[in-house]
Amino acid sequence: QQQVKQSPQSLIVQKGGISIINCAYENTAFDYFPWYQQFPGKGPALLIAIRPDVSEKKEGRFTISFNKSAKQFSLHIMDSQPGDSATYFCAATFSYSSASKIIFGSGTRLSIRP
Amino acid sequence: NAGVTQTPKFQVLKTGQSMTLQCAQDMNHNSMYWYRQDPGMGLRLIYYSASEGTTDKGEVPNGYNVSRLNKREFSLRLESAAPSQTSVYFCASISRGQGTEAFFGQGTRLTVV
Repeated sequence: QQQVKQSPQSLIVQKGGISIINCAYENTAFDYFPWYQQFPGKGPALLIAIRPDVSEKKEGRFTISFNKSAKQFSLHIMDSQPGDSATYFCAATFSYSSASKIIFGSGTRLSIRP
Repeated sequence: NAGVTQTPKFQVLKTGQSMTLQCAQDMNHNSMYWYRQDPGMGLRLIYYSASEGTTDKGEVPNGYNVSRLNKREFSLRLESAAPSQTSVYFCASISRGQGTEAFFGQGTRLTVV
């Protein structure tokens, strides 16, 4: 019930195309859904995040679509560029007392072909 | 503004040796977490500290210990390293603003031979 399932494991997209990564969760206690981007040799960095009372959030070429009833959310990268090649992690979080629970998906390795 | 700083960046240990991974944050966050990252397994929580003076086990705590030295520093210790502990280790400082967000260090790549 604490898992976050992420797919696909790897993805190859042509430059200029749309990259789509999907995640699903079970626990309705999650109240925040961030996405992280990780380049080789670096730590993950927060990319974009959404709260469950919003169905979509857009920041530049990156959009999160959120379906609360289906317990699914996805990251869309429009006009994908070679510089977007990285590993992407979805996450689901909630806070309780003084601590926070963060559950990460297993990651998607995205390659953008020039 | 350095954010989260981890040392060392790389380390090779022999089986049975011990070492301490250091982490410091300058963002004034209360919570700090240690993760390990292995291929195909995402990020798994080893230990966390919700606030100064408290530590708790995460998903994969066996073989590790932690110390929350003060609000800024959270160290991870391997008492007797094993090849199964070969991994990339990340420290994260946790923000609880509008939602829970993790700020990661650059990682320590550890190889146990």
